[in-house]
Amino acid sequence: DVKVTQSSRYLVKRTGEKVFLECVQDMDHENMFWYRQDPGLGLRLIYFSYDVKMKEKGDIPEGYSVSREKKERFSLILESASTNQTSMYLCASTRSTDNYGYTFGSGTRLTVV
Amino acid sequence: QKEVEQNSGPLSVPEGAIASLNCTYSDRGSQSFFWYRQYSGKSPELIMFIYSNGDKEDGRFTAQLNKASQYVSLLIRDSQPSDSATYLCALRSGSARQLTFGSGTQLTVLP
Repeated sequence: DVKVTQSSRYLVKRTGEKVFLECVQDMDHENMFWYRQDPGLGLRLIYFSYDVKMKEKGDIPEGYSVSREKKERFSLILESASTNQTSMYLCASTRSTDNYGYTFGSGTRLTVV
Repeated sequence: QKEVEQNSGPLSVPEGAIASLNCTYSDRGSQSFFWYRQYSGKSPELIMFIYSNGDKEDGRFTAQLNKASQYVSLLIRDSQPSDSATYLCALRSGSARQLTFGSGTQLTVLP
């Protein structure tokens, strides 16, 4: 069964900490995405990557960075966590050659205190 | 104006009825349209996609697309309590790799 795996289901961090959210897919997908989901705001795109070492800003990249050193792994980094980054973070992937939508990971619920 | 608009609901229908979920969009360059179902506390899962004007049926689900009027809808026939979830509309514009999502419609099917 194909999978997108996010390393943590729940995470609690302190304000100012550097936070790493990891996402790994086993489907050899070129494209990987990070979204955050907040009530009433839906899913908002933070960053995406279409190849190793390539990245593109999404709609809300401020306060975040990403890393893609290997095709299967896409990391989201909160450089200095703030309380307004408390959210559900969703990773997704898709192959460049198909148009069947995303496969999502199970999500990471991050709370910044 | 948001790119993808959905009625946030909540929408309640009795078991066995048809649930109708609607989505409008502003970008006429949008090419591909997707419906995701998201149970509380879970991640979204793809249930339908549609690219061409008209209807597309898959079991109890029918997606309808009207590009001239810029709307896409999802009909759920014979609704079941297990259909109770938030339904997200998403689209891809032109050659973009990313999807743009609506904020979702919460559906409750009453036994």
